[in-house]
Amino acid sequence: SYELTQPPSVSVSPGQTARITCSGDALTEKYIYWYQQKSGQAPVLVIYEDSKRPSGIPERFSGSNSGTMATLSISGAQVEDEADYYCYSTDISNNHKVFGGGTKLTVL
Amino acid sequence: EVQLVESGGGLVQPGGSLRLSCAASGFTFRSYEMNWVRQAPGKGLEWVSYISTSGNIIYYADSVKGRFTISRDNAKNSLYLQMNSLRAEDTAVYYCARDFSVRGVSIPFDFWGQGTLVTVSS
Repeated sequence: SYELTQPPSVSVSPGQTARITCSGDALTEKYIYWYQQKSGQAPVLVIYEDSKRPSGIPERFSGSNSGTMATLSISGAQVEDEADYYCYSTDISNNHKVFGGGTKLTVL
Repeated sequence: EVQLVESGGGLVQPGGSLRLSCAASGFTFRSYEMNWVRQAPGKGLEWVSYISTSGNIIYYADSVKGRFTISRDNAKNSLYLQMNSLRAEDTAVYYCARDFSVRGVSIPFDFWGQGTLVTVSS
């Protein structure tokens, strides 16, 4: 089955750039999406189709996909950005939907 | 305002059954593909099942295939998940989430409900 791999945790100081990676096979053939989940809340979409920001998501959130690795970047990370972040894509062999294991971002 | 409200969670014994519901409002439910996603306590997100707008295309995660059944009633703006033969490992918060798709742009899980907790324990 298809898998997406994320680091369990990333830590940055406020104002620094946080980078969260997501690796998997054949990323050039698919889009990556990113979701933010704050403690006790439902997930929220922050990046779609590799690098697009939904309305209402701050400009400090950006995404990229090099083909072997996708990256969510948060420029000038703020304390309010502390959350779990999940990458997502589709296993086109069986139309199953796959989340990465999640990365806990700490900003302090 | 878009709303997805899940209900039907609770405590159930191993081997038991439960039916979850998701009431949709604030958007044209029949035009959106829908999903169930779950999250075990302290764990990550796991996609459970998908249903197309008309209900004629359905997919399940391997972990629930043959035990769970997804369905929808577009007249009632509602999504359902019938869960049978429940196991301890099915314990999780279950979210319903819609897929957005228009003019070539596809955004999975663009909106989520707040979830309902299912606990499988004796």
